[in-house]
Amino acid sequence: SAVISQKPSRDICQRGTSLTIQCQVDSQVTMMFWYRQQPGQSLTLIATANQGSEATYESGFVIDKFPISRPNLTFSTLTVSNMSPEDSSIYLCSVLDRGMPDYNEQFFGPGTRLTVL
Amino acid sequence: DAKTTQPTSMDCAEGRAANLPCNHSTISGNEYVYWYRQIHSQGPQYIIHGLKNNETNEMASLIITEDRKSSTLILPHATLRDTAVYYCIVMNYGGSQGNLIFGKGTKLSVKP
Repeated sequence: SAVISQKPSRDICQRGTSLTIQCQVDSQVTMMFWYRQQPGQSLTLIATANQGSEATYESGFVIDKFPISRPNLTFSTLTVSNMSPEDSSIYLCSVLDRGMPDYNEQFFGPGTRLTVL
Repeated sequence: DAKTTQPTSMDCAEGRAANLPCNHSTISGNEYVYWYRQIHSQGPQYIIHGLKNNETNEMASLIITEDRKSSTLILPHATLRDTAVYYCIVMNYGGSQGNLIFGKGTKLSVKP
């Protein structure tokens, strides 16, 4: 099973600034995803990041606000740009990997807790 | 939008079985039922999945009705560490699209 780490684990930022969140996986995976979890809410998919192609964004999320890089099969970054207090959330990275025979399981990182003042 | 409906919260006594229901009346023939849970301050964790037969693993059992419009996740002997939000998700096998659509889930509180 894939083991995922994220940096930073948490941060407090000023409005108008940007934060880049790193996601590192211990194995090579094709599909990586970024989710947002606003306070007290469920998870919402931001974008899918496959190595070698542009990230695919879900409705309501745009590349200018959440640029994503996927330079190789074990690493991705998500940048939250020009932050406002409404961006205060937990941001989670996940990957699709083989968890069991004949089944692709989705594994999640521990998340990055962002607070924007 | 999520394709599932779950109760907002449930309580369970420690050591007893926790039965978490899920309605997925619009499930299509090629969609599986997946269960994940999210313990406080952690990322979601896979529990179990199934198509139409009942499934069991070391964590839980999944009971799917014959018409596949609903299912129940069973934690046979709940412990305090099972306190979490449990998400029922329907999606195509293997999640080739990968985009799990999370509903609000059920907040399970296991009490001593």
